[in-house]
Amino acid sequence: EVQLVESGGGLVQPGGSLRLSCAASGFTFSSYSMNWVRQAPGKGLEWVSYISSSSSTIYYADSVKGRFTISRDNAKNSLYLQMNSLRDEDTAVYYCAREGIVGANDYWGQGTLVTVSS
Amino acid sequence: DIQMTQSPSTLSASVGDRVTITCRASQSISSWLAWYQQKPGKAPKLLIYKASSLESGVPSRFSGSGSGTEFTLTISSLQPDDFATYYCQQYNSYQGTFGQGTKVEIK
Repeated sequence: EVQLVESGGGLVQPGGSLRLSCAASGFTFSSYSMNWVRQAPGKGLEWVSYISSSSSTIYYADSVKGRFTISRDNAKNSLYLQMNSLRDEDTAVYYCAREGIVGANDYWGQGTLVTVSS
Repeated sequence: DIQMTQSPSTLSASVGDRVTITCRASQSISSWLAWYQQKPGKAPKLLIYKASSLESGVPSRFSGSGSGTEFTLTISSLQPDDFATYYCQQYNSYQGTFGQGTKVEIK
């Protein structure tokens, strides 16, 4: 069974940093590209970042470029999102999602809540 | 950047109704469009990929159509479990833009 489990969320002050993790199981993690998607409270979904299976290709949304860094460790079946210089508007539930063979995000984690507030 | 516009934002319907949600792209995305269902407090669930292909395990009352810039999600006979928010997402470009969502409410 495919499982994605996010962790690392919490309360952080503006300007602070946080590192999210996503532990993958039930599939060959090293064969799939991955995405981070976030959802602010009461709002819609926003794509945040993409990383290819070998980490050779990485993309970021303009809203996080220069502040967030996506990475993965295929040996540990884990995906990461390092978030620096956090702002109030980064408050959201952060989901990791597997980009399936079909190109769409076919499996999602349960999400981890990041709250940026003083 | 590709913008995705969904309509309507909210839809009130009854069990058994046929429901249609529209998603428009600001430029052609071929058939690189997905539809997701999200219930409160839960992660999104993939329903349709490549505009019209049904994800495994998804009931056949869900269908998708369209190509280029205009797409639709249709629920042929709305069931109680279908009251949720639906999102389209383009994956023609790397940014993976989502529509703003359509909330399907009980009439």
